[in-house]
Parts: sequence; C-alpha cells; structure tokens
Amino acid sequence: DSGVTQTPKHLITATGQRVTLRCSPRSGDLSVYWYQQSLDQGLQFLIHYYNGEERAKGNILERFSAQQFPDLHSELNLSSLELGDSALYFCASSVMSASGNTIYFGEGSWLTVV
Amino acid sequence: DAKTTQPPSMDCAEGRAANLPCNHSTISGNEYVYWYRQIHSQGPQYIIHGLKNNETNEMASLIITEDRKSSTLILPHATLRDTAVYYCIVRPPGPNNAGNMLTFGGGTRLMVKP
Repeated sequence: DSGVTQTPKHLITATGQRVTLRCSPRSGDLSVYWYQQSLDQGLQFLIHYYNGEERAKGNILERFSAQQFPDLHSELNLSSLELGDSALYFCASSVMSASGNTIYFGEGSWLTVV
Repeated sequence: DAKTTQPPSMDCAEGRAANLPCNHSTISGNEYVYWYRQIHSQGPQYIIHGLKNNETNEMASLIITEDRKSSTLILPHATLRDTAVYYCIVRPPGPNNAGNMLTFGGGTRLMVKP
C-alpha cells in the first residue's frame, strides 16, 4: 500500500459525459502528479501540482483539468469524454527524503467510455 | 522524451539473480536514477534510486557506473511475482521543480520463469 488513495477504482460512462477522479496523497506530501495509461500505451504525464499550484503540464487535453485543494487532495476532471479517453488514470504524490523526493503511485482509476 | 535506453524484454529463471541494464549517457550531474516497476495494470511501484553510489534496499540493488552513464538493477533472487515491466528513469532532485515529474519510457518487460 503506497498510501496514495484514488477513487473511484472503476468507472463506466458514456461519450460526451463528464467525470471527476479523486486523489488523496500520502500524508504530508505536497506534490500530486496525474498520469494516463491507455491500453497498450505507456504512462503519460498529465499534470503536476505542488501545494496547490500548478507546476508542470504534460500531454493533457484541453477537455481535461485538474486542481489541488487546500487539504492537498486533488481532482482530475475529464469532460466531453470520447472513446479514446478510456484508460487507467494514476495519481501519485511525492515525499522528500535526504536523497531526493520519491514519487509513490496509487492503484489507479479505470475509466471506460462507452 | 525518456532519457534512458533499456532492452524491451528479458527472461530470468526463478531463484536466479535478474540483472536489468539501463543506459543514460546524457544524465546531468544532479539527476538521480530511479527504478520503478509495474505489475500488470497496477500502479507503478518504487524500487530504488541513487545518484552516484551503489544502493541496496530490501527489494533490490542499484549499481551505477563511475561515469554515471549506465546502471544495473539487480533483483538478487527473482520470484514469479517479480514478473513486471521495469522502468529506469532519470530526473532532477527537488519536489517543486517544474519538470520534476517521472518520464516513463518503454521499460524492460521481465519474465521470471519457473
């Protein structure tokens, strides 16, 4: 158990709909990262938040948005869903140590768009 | 783009050591080498990381060459549960640097066989 909690674990929705994926980082972690993994695709970085502020954006579509709240949990909002958005969405958080900051991943949210 | 090169696949006999190589010839002086693995559709799991010294933990050992252009992850006694995709990633330190995310390449698919 990495300590990163993602909900829901599975979600089936129709094209054109909107969903929200939620992430609770490890206690005390200020950074939250979101990744997408489509079927047979690699892990694609979407966005990074640090203490409520957006730090970096990757291949995130304009239909997608994210935010990190004052309690440090984060939400990834996916709108106008298309069949190609079906994927595993991972959230990760990072912890500082004497030798760098290690990123720990949650178990992911399976999104199926039908 | 990923800054590492790994063989796409490797086999290892159960109980033997698995040695997974990684080339990172363009690594910068302050970049760490991280190893993660992903067991089928689970969240990526942190294994180990290092800067220039060899590192060992309960999961694995990391050997980094003196010039830091390559490294080897060693699983000393591979089991069937170690079958996974292993990712070697280089990244700068610091939790709040833009670009501090993990950039995943294709990884090495390790198959541990009985």
